[in-house]
Amino acid sequence: SAVISQKPSRDICQRGTSLTIQCQVDSQVTMMFWYRQQPGQSLTLIATANQGSEATYESGFVIDKFPISRPNLTFSTLTVSNMSPEDSSIYLCSVEARDIPPGYTFGSGTRLTVV
Amino acid sequence: GEDVEQSLFLSVREGDSSVINCTYTDSSSTYLYWYKQEPGAGLQLLTYIFSNMDMKQDQRLTVLLNKKDKHLSLRIADTQTGDSAIYFCAESTSSASKIIFGSGTRLSIRP
Repeated sequence: SAVISQKPSRDICQRGTSLTIQCQVDSQVTMMFWYRQQPGQSLTLIATANQGSEATYESGFVIDKFPISRPNLTFSTLTVSNMSPEDSSIYLCSVEARDIPPGYTFGSGTRLTVV
Repeated sequence: GEDVEQSLFLSVREGDSSVINCTYTDSSSTYLYWYKQEPGAGLQLLTYIFSNMDMKQDQRLTVLLNKKDKHLSLRIADTQTGDSAIYFCAESTSSASKIIFGSGTRLSIRP
């Protein structure tokens, strides 16, 4: 299955600033997914990113707050903009695993703390 | 709508079997998954089952699916301290290219 490198693994940020999280995959994938896992909670899908088109956002998430780039088939970024303490979460990227259709492989996550 | 539910906590004695339960609402589920999340780590796919199967065994793991009741379970035989983690049940459907996660069950092992 695909190997995902996600960075940074963790960060502590000041409120009002922005953080860009990178996700690199070792093979070409059509769709990449960005999830948020708030403390003690399950995973919530933020958006689906296809190469060459705008990301599709789930209800409750907007592009201005979580802009996403998908410049090629192996890379994506998620930016958390104008952060507040409520944005403190783990952010994970995910791709479809080719050997377990349609299973999903996850990056190790970015643990974000906003102070 | 789609919904996946799990109990939040489970505590078992080392060496016993653990059974983690999950219910889901979407009858068009195609695949159901169990993911494991260890502290500070991402999600690791443990096992999955196709919706037309009722059981799958993989070493210490046994997955049971009751499609009529929309109930999924994960049994871990001979539970070890390394099994301490949060276990997420998830489903994918034929109508959506995404998966829906349950709230996760935190499994703790006592000596």
